[in-house]
Amino acid sequence: EVQLVESGGGLVQPGGSLRLSCAVSGFTFSSFWMSWVRQAPGKGLEWVANINRDGSEKYYVDSVKGRFTISRDNPRNSLYLQMNSLRAEDTAVYYCVRELVVGPAEYFHHWGQGTLVTVSS
Amino acid sequence: EIVLTQSPGTLSLSPGERATLSCRASQSLSSSYLAWYQQKPGQAPRLLIYGASSRATGIPDRFSGSGSGTDFTLTISRLEPEDFAMYYCQLYERSLPFTFGPGTKVDIK
Repeated sequence: EVQLVESGGGLVQPGGSLRLSCAVSGFTFSSFWMSWVRQAPGKGLEWVANINRDGSEKYYVDSVKGRFTISRDNPRNSLYLQMNSLRAEDTAVYYCVRELVVGPAEYFHHWGQGTLVTVSS
Repeated sequence: EIVLTQSPGTLSLSPGERATLSCRASQSLSSSYLAWYQQKPGQAPRLLIYGASSRATGIPDRFSGSGSGTDFTLTISRLEPEDFAMYYCQLYERSLPFTFGPGTKVDIK
């Protein structure tokens, strides 16, 4: 069974940092692109970042470029999101997602249950 | 930038009825790289449809997707009680690369 379990969320002050982790099991982690997708309270979904199978390619939504860094540790079956210079608008549930790649397209197939990040003073 | 619009914002129906949800792109898409997700309160989203019309693994056949260009549709042929939820469409374009629509809520009439 595919499982993705996020951790590391919490309350942080504006300008602070947080590192999210996602532990995966039930599949060969190194074979899949992975993403972080977030959802602000009561709002819709927003893709944040993704990373290719070996970690050599990383992409970000414009609003987090230069502040967030996605990474992975394939031997440890883990995905990470380092978040620096956090802002109130980064407050959201952050989901770890295994992608489904079909030809040139990518979709969000398996989702963790999410971890809440609250940026507030 | 391509913007996705979903309509209606809320769809009020009874179990057993047919639901038709619309997702419209602000520009014609060169390919049908569109997906639909279902999200229930307090839960993570679930992939229903990808490539505009392909059902994801384990998705009941009462869910179907169609469309191309700028207009895409998710149809639920007969609503079951567990289908009352929020539905999002999502576009993949290599240059973007991911865009979500604002969602349609299907609730019980």
